[in-house]
This record gives sequence, C-alpha cells and structure tokens, in this order.
Amino acid sequence: SQTIHQWPATLVQPVGSPLSLECTVEGTSNPNLYWYRQAAGRGLQLLFYSVGIGQISSEVPQNLSASRPQDRQFILSSKKLLLSDSGFYLCASTGVRPDTQYFGPGTRLTVL
Amino acid sequence: GQNIDQPTEMTATEGAIVQINCTYQTSGFNGLFWYQQHAGEAPTFLSYNVLDGLEEKGRFSSFLSRSKGYSYLLLKELQMKDSASYLCAVKRGFQKLVFGTGTRLLVSP
Repeated sequence: SQTIHQWPATLVQPVGSPLSLECTVEGTSNPNLYWYRQAAGRGLQLLFYSVGIGQISSEVPQNLSASRPQDRQFILSSKKLLLSDSGFYLCASTGVRPDTQYFGPGTRLTVL
Repeated sequence: GQNIDQPTEMTATEGAIVQINCTYQTSGFNGLFWYQQHAGEAPTFLSYNVLDGLEEKGRFSSFLSRSKGYSYLLLKELQMKDSASYLCAVKRGFQKLVFGTGTRLLVSP
C-alpha cells in the first residue's frame, strides 16, 4: 500500500528566511506528484505538479519553486518567505488508482 | 474560467441523511472528486465520478450530472465522526484538480 511522508509537520519561520519542505512516497512507482497550499478559510490551491524526475509544472507565479530529484521525492522551496506564504502545505500523489490523488499528512507553515 | 460552488456550512443530526451539493463551471472537465477533511488533517479520498449517475460506497454515495454541471455527496446514517469538511474537486485534463472551498458539516447528537 502507498504511504506519503511529509516533513516537517509544523514550521514557524521569519519573513525573508528560506524554506524547504520535503515529500516522499512509498509503495508506488513513477507517481504523479503535486504540491497544494490551503490558506485559512480557502480551498486547496495547486502550486506545482510533476509527472517525472526533473519535470515540474508551475500553476501559480510566486516566490516558491519545486524540484523532483528522485522518482518518489518532491521538494518545495523558497529563497525568501513572505507573510502570505503561511498555510497548510499538502503533497499529493497518484497511487493504486492512477486517476486519483492521495494526500500526505501536510506541513503547517507559519511565517511571522 | 472555472467556478466551483458548495454551501459553506451544514448541520445535521446523528442517524439522519444529508446531501451536500456542488455546482461547477469549468473547461476540460474530466471527472469530479469528493474528499473528506477533518479539522487540522489532510483530505482523504471518498469518491470519483467521471460518468453521469450515482456511485454508492457504503454509507456514502456520489452523483454526477455533467450536462447540469452538478454533483452531490449523500451521507446516510450520520455518525458524529462524519463531522468534517467535504471538498468537491473538478479534474481538468489529466493532471489538475480544482477545489471548491469545502462544506463544513456539523453532526449533532
């Protein structure tokens, strides 16, 4: 069965600091991977998706970037965080059902 | 453009039946998902409809009408643990999910 790991679980960072969030997937080969952000009181917003190693599609222009150095590893980064980057960051992966996205436990980021 | 509408909040009583509606306007429609999200947790997959009609899975059923841009999630025999947000998401093309803001369901004794 598939397992999606995300770390850290929670993070408090000052404005202007860098960011690196990691997502790893077990139990599935060559998954499609996704980064979403959920701001308080708002719906999930797709940030990036990847269909393979080194292949990244960006959905929303912003100060975030993503990378996929390995088949089952997806990283979300920023060089300088903004207050508006606060939110719940969710990694998702296709899995047993290739047409369905399954979510990891998420990282709650607070930028102060 | 794309627009997904769901009621913000609903209340129901334990043991009852509740229907959560979702209407959408989007191009490149390729199916509709329902997810359940408990407070502070990640969404979990409930159902996926790509063809018109009703899909039943235990206490939960999901319906889709593509011509009307309409779906609903039906929850039967409500339990306290069903108190959560229910997210409607439209799949556009092969990769993208567009989410509504979710319906917060409160189940009372």
